[in-house]
Amino acid sequence: GAVVSQHPSWVICKSGTSVKIECRSLDFQATTMFWYRQFPKQSLMLMATSNEGSKATYEQGVEKDKFLINHASLTLSTLTVTSAHPEDSSFYICSARGAVTQYFGPGTRLLVL
Amino acid sequence: QKEVEQNSGPLSVPEGAIASLNCTYSDRGSQSFFWYRQYSGKSPELIMFIYSNGDKEDGRFTAQLNKASQYVSLLIRDSQPSDSATYLCAAFTGTASKLTFGTGTRLQVTL
Repeated sequence: GAVVSQHPSWVICKSGTSVKIECRSLDFQATTMFWYRQFPKQSLMLMATSNEGSKATYEQGVEKDKFLINHASLTLSTLTVTSAHPEDSSFYICSARGAVTQYFGPGTRLLVL
Repeated sequence: QKEVEQNSGPLSVPEGAIASLNCTYSDRGSQSFFWYRQYSGKSPELIMFIYSNGDKEDGRFTAQLNKASQYVSLLIRDSQPSDSATYLCAAFTGTASKLTFGTGTRLQVTL
């Protein structure tokens, strides 16, 4: 089956620092990847759609200058949380579009102190 | 009206019973439908998908689709405590080219 990896799985950082999260499709090429955020006991929230070789499309209310997305290859998309603050602490999950549906990575838990 | 709606639950069923999870969608252009399972603290994992009216069975799981009623369901037979999780229904619309998720139904299988 389709496999999507994320790195790191956990990150703890100080307020004001930037954090980069990588998402890789391991056994298929993904022209489109998605970034979600999920707060405790809440539903998935789509942040942005990442297309290989072009600019990401951000959902309403998501700051594109704060959440930088790069999709430089067919197997790698990155999300950089710039100048992270405690309210950015959340579970970030990427998803890659395969032939049938979207496959999710294991998620990255971010804690900003 | 939300595009994909689910009852948040919790839905509580005894071990061995059939769990029935329901989902409605508003966009008649939706072409295919997916059920994901999400354990607490984990990311969603695909259970099954359906795109034709009727039933589709895979092991203990049966997905049902009724496009006229804009209704999708997931039946879990012989429910086990390990089935306790949140079940997400998602619809794919070609025009949007992405999945639209419901908020999920929390299932609790009791001993």
